[in-house]
Amino acid sequence: GENVEQHPSTLSVQEGDSAVIKCTYSDSASNYFPWYKQELGKRPQLIIDIRSNVGEKKDQRIAVTLNKTAKHFSLHITETQPEDSAVYFCAPGTGGGNKLTFGTGTQLKVEL
Amino acid sequence: NAGVMQNPRHLVRRRGQEARLRCSPMKGHSHVYWYRQLPEEGLKFMVYLQKENIIDESGMPKERFSAEFPKEGPSILRIQQVVRGDSAAYFCASSVTGQGEYSPLHFGNGTRLTVT
Repeated sequence: GENVEQHPSTLSVQEGDSAVIKCTYSDSASNYFPWYKQELGKRPQLIIDIRSNVGEKKDQRIAVTLNKTAKHFSLHITETQPEDSAVYFCAPGTGGGNKLTFGTGTQLKVEL
Repeated sequence: NAGVMQNPRHLVRRRGQEARLRCSPMKGHSHVYWYRQLPEEGLKFMVYLQKENIIDESGMPKERFSAEFPKEGPSILRIQQVVRGDSAAYFCASSVTGQGEYSPLHFGNGTRLTVT
C-alpha cells in the first residue's frame, strides 16, 4: 500500500512568515494530491488540491507544488496568520483520488 | 446545502456493546467513505460505498465491523462487541463522483466513540 510521510511533524512560525510542509509518497500510481486542514476537534477541510498533470497551483496565500518524478508535493502558506494554526494533512490518492491515504500530519503554530 | 451530517457527535459504549454510527451525505452525493482517526494520527481509510453497494472495504477490520448504505436513509457503520481499541473519531465523507473521476471529498464533523 501507499506509504505517506510528512515533514516536519511540527512547525512554529512567526505571524507574517511563510510555512512549507513537504509530503512524500511511495505509490507511483498516485494522481491526485490534496491538502487538508484540521482544527482541534473539527473535521478535515480541503484547502487545496492538484492533479498529476499540473506542477503548481495557487489560491491566494496557499500554493501546492508537485514533483512527480521525486514523488513529493509541498504545501506553501505565505503571510501566515494565527488562524492558520491547525494540523495539516497531505492525502495522495489514486484512481481519481477518492481513496485517499493520509499522512501523519503537521502541527502548524503561528505565533504573534 | 447542509453538508455531510453525522450522528451522534459523541458515543460512549461499554466493552462488548454495539456501536452504530450514522452518516447522511451531502445532497446530490451518492458516494460515501468512512475513515477512522486515532488520537494524534492521520485518518485511515476504512470503506467506500455507493447506494446499496460496497465498492472497497480494504481498510475494514475483518471482524466486528460492517457498513451499509441502503437505498433509503443514511449510511451506517456498525461495530459489534466494541473493545477499548475501537475508541477513535470516525469520519464520514461524501463525493459527487467515485473513483476514476476527480471529485473532492467533503467530510462530516465525525463521531467520537469512547469505549469504557
